[in-house]
Amino acid sequence: DGGITQSPKYLFRKEGQNVTLSCEQNLNHDAMYWYRQDPGQGLRLIYYSQIVNDFQKGDIAEGYSVSREKKESFPLTVTSAQKNPTAFYLCASTSDSRHNEQFFGPGTRLTVL
Amino acid sequence: AQSVAQPEDQVNVAEGNPLTVKCTYSVSGNPYLFWYVQYPNRGLQFLLKYITGDNLVKGSYGFEAEFNKSQTSFHLKKPSALVSDSALYFCAVRDGRAGANNLFFGTGTRLTVIP
Repeated sequence: DGGITQSPKYLFRKEGQNVTLSCEQNLNHDAMYWYRQDPGQGLRLIYYSQIVNDFQKGDIAEGYSVSREKKESFPLTVTSAQKNPTAFYLCASTSDSRHNEQFFGPGTRLTVL
Repeated sequence: AQSVAQPEDQVNVAEGNPLTVKCTYSVSGNPYLFWYVQYPNRGLQFLLKYITGDNLVKGSYGFEAEFNKSQTSFHLKKPSALVSDSALYFCAVRDGRAGANNLFFGTGTRLTVIP
């Protein structure tokens, strides 16, 4: 899983609660990404950030928020507005080149009780 | 618009036989193509990529893929499958035009290698 860590590995949330998923990388990568993985749907982009203090919505940003205060960190908050948050969440990073592959963290499995 | 299709949800192959996992793509510009593998409850691991040059790309763990522009395909292959190759495989594409920075993933193909 390279130099990207995600925590926690498993997370349980009650309905109506906000939760924050951590993503940290020591690869000195400029760009970071958050994906959601559901069975049979592949990976869908939630948010991405190409530089510190800047981020963009992906395809399914509703109900999520992010921050990028440090190059190494890109936390994702799943808010109570996200209606179906149970999923596997993956963080990725890449250096600033469109030729380069993304490196993925080990993922966080979020379950809403 | 960019898109990736992996037409097979499941591929079964006997150990020692060649394997193929199919991928077709659609982009407006030149494609940058990637294959990843995912083991249960893990993140994705990069296998190989095509950016330009030789249409046959060799990657990790003995995998290779052939870029076919006329058929807009990028099928993943391995001459002799191992049981340990059993996993979920994702194809991804990025448009090569400037400003197109995001990857689009297929829905994945589950490969099972039967001993």
